[in-house]
Amino acid sequence: SQQGEEDPQALSIQEGENATMNCSYKTSINNLQWYRQNSGRGLVHLILIRSNEREKHSGRLRVTLDTSKKSSSLLITASRAADTASYFCATASGGSNYKLTFGKGTLLTVNP
Amino acid sequence: NAGVTQTPKFQVLKTGQSMTLQCAQDMNHEYMSWYRQDPGMGLRLIHYSVGAGITDQGEVPNGYNVSRSTTEDFPLRLLSAAPSQTSVYFCASSYKSEFTDTQYFGPGTRLTVL
Repeated sequence: SQQGEEDPQALSIQEGENATMNCSYKTSINNLQWYRQNSGRGLVHLILIRSNEREKHSGRLRVTLDTSKKSSSLLITASRAADTASYFCATASGGSNYKLTFGKGTLLTVNP
Repeated sequence: NAGVTQTPKFQVLKTGQSMTLQCAQDMNHEYMSWYRQDPGMGLRLIHYSVGAGITDQGEVPNGYNVSRSTTEDFPLRLLSAAPSQTSVYFCASSYKSEFTDTQYFGPGTRLTVL
């Protein structure tokens, strides 16, 4: 079963705008991770936030985690055409930090 | 480092044929896993391994076998391919550590079963 569900399924913005994607999950987690997938390629790890963290930054990325609402958001600031990709959240739960359950992804299109 | 490599990149099988998807990593990662990605479904875990000689089932293991005889290699076997196994297959690896959770993915194998 899918643990994470991303919202929206698709997002189209102009270069320079911010993009926000949301992820909801169902069970308690150890950590939540965001990955990017360019069309036809493998997944690339973007950022990880642990269950005891509320916010994390990495370059133009900002991730928040609300464990009470079982939700996370990924903000990409000042988007570029090269940010066009699918973005997936993945959760690690139980005794494993590496057995991931992925959501269905958000397709982000950044128009030049 | 080559990272995680997968072969072949593309494969077409007929129903009932068998084949092995290869996955190798040169980062000395303990943990390796196989996922399949279907349109609109995200990635689903097939099998995983926490070290040489140790494997376990994921969410969708039926129709697939794995073994882990070395740290570097984690092949995925389809014993009798079915059209429902048409998918893109990704191998991933990581350290087995609570402090280093980044998973590294291979480029994928696109499999079509006719």
